[in-house]
Amino acid sequence: GAGVSQSPRYKVAKRGQDVALRCDPISGHVSLFWYQQALGQGPEFLTYFQNEAQLDKSGLPSDRFFAERPEGSVSTLKIQRTQQEDSAVYLCASSLGGTGATEAFFGQGTRLTVV
Amino acid sequence: AQSVTQLDSQVPVFEEAPVELRCNYSSSVSVYLFWYVQYPNQGLQLLLKYLSGSTLVKGINGFEAEFNKSQTSFHLRNPSVHISDTAEYFCAVSDWGDSSYKLIFGSGTRLLVRP
Repeated sequence: GAGVSQSPRYKVAKRGQDVALRCDPISGHVSLFWYQQALGQGPEFLTYFQNEAQLDKSGLPSDRFFAERPEGSVSTLKIQRTQQEDSAVYLCASSLGGTGATEAFFGQGTRLTVV
Repeated sequence: AQSVTQLDSQVPVFEEAPVELRCNYSSSVSVYLFWYVQYPNQGLQLLLKYLSGSTLVKGINGFEAEFNKSQTSFHLRNPSVHISDTAEYFCAVSDWGDSSYKLIFGSGTRLLVRP
């Protein structure tokens, strides 16, 4: 596709359930990012990949959050034992380069609701 | 740590009127500055960015922003808005250097254009 694709668009999880969110970046984009956007807030950085290497995971809120990009393309954000505070929109972005000067293209996001 | 302040959570304006959306950032170190727009049920789209050079930056849909280093501001302006500009607008900053890939977002300003 032409843009960043995320699936599912909506996910309802029971508290304690594990979830997996998928991101298909733009083909050829080296860099991939995950952001978390709580209701009424701006996106907050979670993690950054350059190809398959996870270079920065400083924004992951707890060890229940895990991200991977094993072949340097598709990425999965996994949340174990979901809690209500995990409810948010999870945004994926990709870019050709790994600096702020390179435009990041965002997907539509996955809205996670933990009940 | 870097932070971004968007003081106005919502700005109502009539169609064809001018508008200014305010953005201030905390650190005076060299930065990249961005404005993103988020239409309902869509991903973030880059409106414009300041990397270096001229402090007045022009973007899409008639929007422009001016970088003011002394005031650490990057306010977004449009001389004549349309109903279709109704959306959420996010200001973002990244520091020069090794972590320039990391965008720090403000909490957003909802622009509501009325006929």
